Amino acid sequence: KAGVTQTPRYLIKTRGQQVTLSCSPISGHRSVSWYQQTPGQGLQFLFEYFSETQRNKGNFPGRFSGRQFSNSRSEMNVSTLELGDSALYLCASSSAGGVQPNTGELFFGEGSRLTVL
Amino acid sequence: SQQGEEDPQALSIQEGENATMNCSYKTSINNLQWYRQNSGRGLVHLILIRSNEREKHSGRLRVTLDTSKKSSSLLITASRAADTASYFCATVINTGFQKLVFGTGTRLLVSP
Repeated sequence: KAGVTQTPRYLIKTRGQQVTLSCSPISGHRSVSWYQQTPGQGLQFLFEYFSETQRNKGNFPGRFSGRQFSNSRSEMNVSTLELGDSALYLCASSSAGGVQPNTGELFFGEGSRLTVL
Repeated sequence: SQQGEEDPQALSIQEGENATMNCSYKTSINNLQWYRQNSGRGLVHLILIRSNEREKHSGRLRVTLDTSKKSSSLLITASRAADTASYFCATVINTGFQKLVFGTGTRLLVSP
């Protein structure tokens, strides 16, 4: 079974540009979450999607957005990039559906490392 | 904000020694999980312990949970150089949906 695939793995952008990152979850997983990891703030939750609906959102500005497609693939977009957006963006999928608080295990991709110059 | 604080921030040991990492959290939880991250890579799930469990084992890993103290510990026995990584605790907050909040992490270095 293929794992979570994130593309691109590395990218460099300049301030003011926008970027789109893609995530293909494990086959059969309908929940996709996104996290931002930086040395200063650690791992921060961005949002979670399930069946094309955003169920949960972290404390990030509206420049950060995402969506999920009918095949469970997800994209996140960051507009008007700032230097502080440089980070490793991690996508994770889960087999949990609906309210399953006892499941919880996430399967992570290798991440997309974004550098903003 | 971080839910969990981990201690120590960094740990350096020799192969064969045991490594213990601690995690404290702030709010009530459904379960607590531990993840490992090799440098610059994705996270790998290690073990999950539910709020009604006190101890759990998986291979060389032993996890304890004390909900009265809002703390957990991860013990890696007979460490190997390949265990060198960052270790994060993560808690599932009961919002009704799945939201993992990660701790600050412990960087473990195991020297041959």
